[in-house]
Amino acid sequence: RKEVEQDPGPFNVPEGATVAFNCTYSNSASQSFFWYRQDCRKEPKLLMSVYSSGNEDGRFTAQLNRASQYISLLIRDSKLSDSATYLCVVNVAGPLVFGKGTRLSVIA
Amino acid sequence: DTGVSQDPRHKITKRGQNVTFRCDPISEHNRLYWYRQTLGQGPEFLTYFQNEAQLEKSRLLSDRFSAERPKGSFSTLEIQRTEQGDSAMYLCASSLVPIMNTEAFFGQGTRLTVV
Repeated sequence: RKEVEQDPGPFNVPEGATVAFNCTYSNSASQSFFWYRQDCRKEPKLLMSVYSSGNEDGRFTAQLNRASQYISLLIRDSKLSDSATYLCVVNVAGPLVFGKGTRLSVIA
Repeated sequence: DTGVSQDPRHKITKRGQNVTFRCDPISEHNRLYWYRQTLGQGPEFLTYFQNEAQLEKSRLLSDRFSAERPKGSFSTLEIQRTEQGDSAMYLCASSLVPIMNTEAFFGQGTRLTVV
């Protein structure tokens, strides 16, 4: 079983739609959780950290379920500029471990 | 520029040649990571340093790969006797620990093509 698993997509959604991505991780000792965004041929950049209580940043909401070892990202009112690959990232007191990413295309 | 910088940005080399990449982390960051990424995949961990100490190496890092971080500042990643399978984007990232939930900042990467 891979350490961090994500549905690769692609998710093709119209502008204004709400879309949700899920991610599961295998190591119960994982300590920190993140969502990164990666545009085509660019480096990954932090979208948001994921806290146990859940957190929201504008149109983006992240949730963590430690019991199920599950992380989610919800994007509301999708914009064309949200088109990218979203990487689920987990830290176990060492290197960050990345999922393969979920590709999102927002269509006009 | 206060971000992570990598050099070169692109490298084309012939199979069997040695290549070396450099990463300059954000100056106050004590942790430095190397990742490799191929098309359609997430970044795969190669190795990381805490200051000058190399703390972990992935099984992906064959004996042809070596990384250093002398004096805990910049780092180099060397690949000896390159193979076509080494073609990938090599990403460097840095972070400041121990701060919980601290993000890692990535450089723009070095794209290696082995012909």
